[in-house]
Amino acid sequence: DAGVTQSPTHLIKTRGQHVTLRCSPISGHKSVSWYQQVLGQGPQFIFQYYEKEERGRGNFPDRFSARQFPNYSSELNVNALLLGDSALYLCASSGRGQVNEQFFGPGTRLTVL
Amino acid sequence: DAKTTQPNSMESNEEEPVHLPCNHSTISGTDYIHWYRQLPSQGPEYVIHGLTSNVNNRMASLAIAEDRKSSTLILHRATLRDAAVYYCILAQSNFGNEKLTFGTGTRLTIIP
Repeated sequence: DAGVTQSPTHLIKTRGQHVTLRCSPISGHKSVSWYQQVLGQGPQFIFQYYEKEERGRGNFPDRFSARQFPNYSSELNVNALLLGDSALYLCASSGRGQVNEQFFGPGTRLTVL
Repeated sequence: DAKTTQPNSMESNEEEPVHLPCNHSTISGTDYIHWYRQLPSQGPEYVIHGLTSNVNNRMASLAIAEDRKSSTLILHRATLRDAAVYYCILAQSNFGNEKLTFGTGTRLTIIP
């Protein structure tokens, strides 16, 4: 079975641009979460979506937004990119009955120049 | 969010057991103790979780103190593939509210 997939793998943008990152959860998983991991630190929670509704939001500015589609895939959007947005963006999915186990994708490495 | 404290780094010899400690003195009664690990250039990977009783699975064992203020992840026989950053996380387990708060974790180095 396919795991969590994310696209693109790597991305280079310049300051002020907009970026869209995509995530496909494991088949049957309806919950998707997004995390940002800056080099040398642990992942930081950005958003969680379940059944297309936002269920949680971390301490990130309004430049960060997300949505979940009817097929449970998700997009993370970041506007007006800053140098500090350079990070690994991770997506995780979980299914009912697996609340304690989240499955992470390989991440999208975003570099802002 | 309740906090956890872990050593920044640990070393262990290959094929030896490894005990990774975690302190969580402010744990609440409904917090589950989760362990994830992150291998180089990969996303985090679930290892094990528990509430009150010790737990075993194919990857590791989790020993939880009676007062739940600390726990230990036990890798019974470390291999080079176990070299990773190990995160101890306290989290609620409500479906639809599954935020994980990662700290900086313990970087485990395995010596051949």
